[in-house]
Amino acid sequence: GNSVTQMEGPVTLSEEAFLTINCTYTATGYPSLFWYVQYPGEGLQLLLKATKADDKGSNKGFEATYRKETTSFHLEKGSVQVSDSAVYFCALVQGAQKLVFGQGTRLTINP
Amino acid sequence: DGGITQSPKYLFRKEGQNVTLSCEQNLNHDAMYWYRQDPGQGLRLIYYSQIVNDFQKGDIAEGYSVSREKKESFPLTVTSAQKNPTAFYLCASSTQVGAQETQYFGPGTRLLVL
Repeated sequence: GNSVTQMEGPVTLSEEAFLTINCTYTATGYPSLFWYVQYPGEGLQLLLKATKADDKGSNKGFEATYRKETTSFHLEKGSVQVSDSAVYFCALVQGAQKLVFGQGTRLTINP
Repeated sequence: DGGITQSPKYLFRKEGQNVTLSCEQNLNHDAMYWYRQDPGQGLRLIYYSQIVNDFQKGDIAEGYSVSREKKESFPLTVTSAQKNPTAFYLCASSTQVGAQETQYFGPGTRLLVL
């Protein structure tokens, strides 16, 4: 079945550092890929998505590129802020099937 | 403002008790979902509904029940058969079930066992 594997956390960085959170997936065919973010005590919010190979999703300074050759969708940000501290989830959906989530990566940014 | 509301924010369950978590959306979405989140784990799908009066089991439906009598509402009942109910429960909705559909999430309900 479909699955998503994320970089294990927690990840701790200083403000203005470069961020990468790795995400790889297993799926037959061509899934759509998502990054969701969860701030403390809240539900999930869509951060960005890509629906076909080589698409780049971007939002709030975050980017991720759908790489079919490496089955990856790594999340990057050039300069993180304290307000980016949250848990980040990579997810995929294929056809009419439900979302499949990775286990989440907790990110803490220190001032 | 359109969105998804969940209530209550915190819920306490006694041994042997059934409890019901509320989820309401005013986004005019056909599809609704219930997920369970445990510490250090991703979200796991409990039930989902593609349309009123229809719902399907997800990956961990045992010990839970749902109804979908109205488009706006998708309540989840945690029954006494669910032996480990302590978790964070998230409701979501989307225009429909499908590959390009974004799911929108509510703020969640934290269920604790007394």
